[in-house]
Amino acid sequence: DTAVSQTPKYLVTQMGNDKSIKCEQNLGHDTMYWYKQDSKKFLKIMFSYNNKELIINETVPNRFSPKSPDKAHLNLHINSLELGDSAVYFCASSQDGGPQETQYFGPGTRLLVL
Amino acid sequence: AQSVTQLGSHVSVSEGALVLLRCNYSSSVPPYLFWYVQYPNQGLQLLLKYTTGATLVKGINGFEAEFKKSETSFHLTKPSAHMSDAAEYFCAVSPQYDKVIFGPGTSLSVIP
Repeated sequence: DTAVSQTPKYLVTQMGNDKSIKCEQNLGHDTMYWYKQDSKKFLKIMFSYNNKELIINETVPNRFSPKSPDKAHLNLHINSLELGDSAVYFCASSQDGGPQETQYFGPGTRLLVL
Repeated sequence: AQSVTQLGSHVSVSEGALVLLRCNYSSSVPPYLFWYVQYPNQGLQLLLKYTTGATLVKGINGFEAEFKKSETSFHLTKPSAHMSDAAEYFCAVSPQYDKVIFGPGTSLSVIP
């Protein structure tokens, strides 16, 4: 059983388009995250939600908008895609967001903007 | 501000040799400490973590790490490298009141 799943796995699109990435976890966790991993493997948190409430909102362009319809899902919508948005985007979850908790990562969505 | 440094962006070891991946952190309060591994084209998975108690922590796949407060270090070791250990390794710190911060990663290659 997949604990944290993301769709799509690969996404190739043109500059200026709008796209969404979906994430679902079946671990019963209350907290979910979005991370961006750049070409040098550097991993940076973008957002976190706890029980559908926004907790962390890092300095990312407002073209990125997360949406959590329920605590098992956290989607990421990106408007007006730019070349610099090309990266791997990871969804993760943890029990309730405590600092000592393990985060469980999805397989990633590889976004390429042309 | 908290930060994590990993000495050596690329480390190569021979199969059967000792693996040592270095991690140092800066934090104004004692943090929680993690090592995650990322195999090619996969997400990260936890190797081990230090929260409280014994400073030598054992993880999966024969890895262990020791928290040394005086050195602000949390180095990862494995006595004998296996080909399947080739991956990207991330040290992470989580100050007790803030989000997890990941280090820049160390790519481990294992030479047959």
